[in-house]
Amino acid sequence: DAGVIQSPRHEVTEMGQEVTLRCKPISGHDYLFWYRQTMMRGLELLIYFNNNVPIDDSGMPEDRFSAKMPNASFSTLKIQPSEPRDSAVYFCASRSEGGQETQYFGPGTRLLVL
Amino acid sequence: QKEVEQNSGPLSVPEGAIASLNCTYSDRVSQSFFWYRQYSGKSPELIMSIYSNGDKEDGRFTAQLNKASQYVSLLIRDSQPSDSATYLCAVLTDSGYALNFGKGTSLLVTP
Repeated sequence: DAGVIQSPRHEVTEMGQEVTLRCKPISGHDYLFWYRQTMMRGLELLIYFNNNVPIDDSGMPEDRFSAKMPNASFSTLKIQPSEPRDSAVYFCASRSEGGQETQYFGPGTRLLVL
Repeated sequence: QKEVEQNSGPLSVPEGAIASLNCTYSDRVSQSFFWYRQYSGKSPELIMSIYSNGDKEDGRFTAQLNKASQYVSLLIRDSQPSDSATYLCAVLTDSGYALNFGKGTSLLVTP
């Protein structure tokens, strides 16, 4: 399996622009998670989905952030408009329903908002 | 917000020594605990999970859990320079699916 795939790997944008991050979970995994990592706040859960349905979005910082999962193999995290304080590494992770509770992380998207 | 606390370090140990990493958590009902390793510029990867009080060993790694004290630790025996990384402690939330992470402890193993 190719693992969790994220794109782009790096994104540099200017304040006010729309940013879309993409994630393809491991095939067969029922859960998908979006995290944000910064030096100050560490690794924070933003939102997670089960069978394409958002379950908990309490970690989404504000209305500028939105996430969708239109099908089992694709999810997006959108920031509109972006701000410099959104600069961080955004990780997507997935796991299966049964078995061990292991979350597998993608390589991350490093976002810099100027 | 339920907390997971770790000393940020850096923790520096000589090659061959035992590295001891510690974590405390605030939610008394937590049942599942994980240690992730993250190399600089890379994504976290799971190295250990523990669910019961006591010790769990896997190769050079030992995870220790004390639910009464709300304390989890990770011991790395015969530390190698390749163990130099940030170690993240994670606690399964009461959702049963989401993880709450500590900010991590940076470990440096010196040759």
